[in-house]
Amino acid sequence: EDQVTQSPEALRLQEGESSSLNCSYTVSGLRGLFWYRQDPGKGPEFLFTLYSAGEEKEKERLKATLTKKESFLHITAPKPEDSATYLCAVDNYGQNFVFGPGTRLSVLP
Amino acid sequence: GAVVSQHPSRVICKSGTSVKIECRSLDFQATTMFWYRQFPKKSLMLMATSNEGSKATYEQGVEKDKFLINHASLTLSTLTVTSAHPEDSSFYICSAISDTQYFGPGTRLTVL
Repeated sequence: EDQVTQSPEALRLQEGESSSLNCSYTVSGLRGLFWYRQDPGKGPEFLFTLYSAGEEKEKERLKATLTKKESFLHITAPKPEDSATYLCAVDNYGQNFVFGPGTRLSVLP
Repeated sequence: GAVVSQHPSRVICKSGTSVKIECRSLDFQATTMFWYRQFPKKSLMLMATSNEGSKATYEQGVEKDKFLINHASLTLSTLTVTSAHPEDSSFYICSAISDTQYFGPGTRLTVL
């Protein structure tokens, strides 16, 4: 069965303290891997799509990378406004994506 | 990116009443939309796949007679929670696929 896991479940950082979130996947086929940000009480907001191993995407303080078994979301010098839940999802050529459980990030000032 | 809207954003209703939630793709056509439910501090739980012009496909454990889905056009899907009870209180989110999957802002349903 296709599966996506994320670690850690929750992460607390001081402002400026860089770190990485992990998304590991076991799928029969990978059309794309997606990262979303979700703020409390809101729908997920699309961040990145990665299609092949070795690909990297950047947006402000966020950088997403992809290998054959996992993806990392690197957060450089985070700010309190980066606090959110980050969701990873995989398009395994099915009708819907397979979502991970998310990582709750808190960035303290 | 593509935009998906939901209406209403919040709704409070009495137990036993029905509530309709609308999901619209604003700048693209979506033959398929998805409905999710989310509990506090939990990830998305797929309820059903809504297909334009045909019956929705429900996930295991989701009552199709309770959660009625209609996808009458390429830009609109509706979820009706029938005879709502307090345990139906939740955050409901829809999504649609364009170049990727885009989500609506969600609807907070509270059943008293």
